Amino acid sequence: EIVLTQSPGTLSLSPGERATLSCRASQSVSSSYLAWYQQKPGQAPRLLIYGASSRATGIPDRFSGSGSGTDFTLTISRLEPEDFAVYYCQQYGSSPITFGGGTKVEIK
Amino acid sequence: EVQLLESGGGLVQPGGSLRLSCAASGFPFSTYAMSWVRQAPGKGLEWVSGISTSGGKTYYADSVKGRFTISRDNSKNTLYLQMNSLRAEDTAVYYCAKTLTGVIHYFDYWGQGTLVTVSS
Repeated sequence: EIVLTQSPGTLSLSPGERATLSCRASQSVSSSYLAWYQQKPGQAPRLLIYGASSRATGIPDRFSGSGSGTDFTLTISRLEPEDFAVYYCQQYGSSPITFGGGTKVEIK
Repeated sequence: EVQLLESGGGLVQPGGSLRLSCAASGFPFSTYAMSWVRQAPGKGLEWVSGISTSGGKTYYADSVKGRFTISRDNSKNTLYLQMNSLRAEDTAVYYCAKTLTGVIHYFDYWGQGTLVTVSS
């Protein structure tokens, strides 16, 4: 199975700053089948990005995804107060589906 | 509006069984593959099982293979997860999730989850 490693584990930033989250795969993710989710406490995850770089419906353009092969990045250009949450990457290029361990973006 | 409503969670003893349900509405249920994803308290997300539109193809994580069974009733717009031989490590919030296409895919909608606690 493909193991996804997210870094850093925690990112401490201020509103308005840029956030860069990394997701590294143990082997190449075919066809860039990588998604990103946001999860707030007590809530279900919300789809942000699919296909490594396509924004889901209703997702603000301050969220962007990039990467291919084994290295992927989620960038939040200017953090809004509602963006402080945990972010997970997920690969769906091969079975089983796997998720990264998550990156918590917290207010500095 | 897409809605996924899980039910059936609760406290069960180790070795016991539980059946989760997920009632779907707001979309043509029979035309989308579905999955169960779980999250242990304070931990990350773990895909558990997925099922094709007709129910003819099912997939499982190694951690639950042989103990859990996923199924669906398209006439009732409902997804199920039968969980047998439960262990303490199965304690988690269980989410049902809808995929856009195919079983092994990303999840565009999630339910709010139901908590399963395995403890004596």
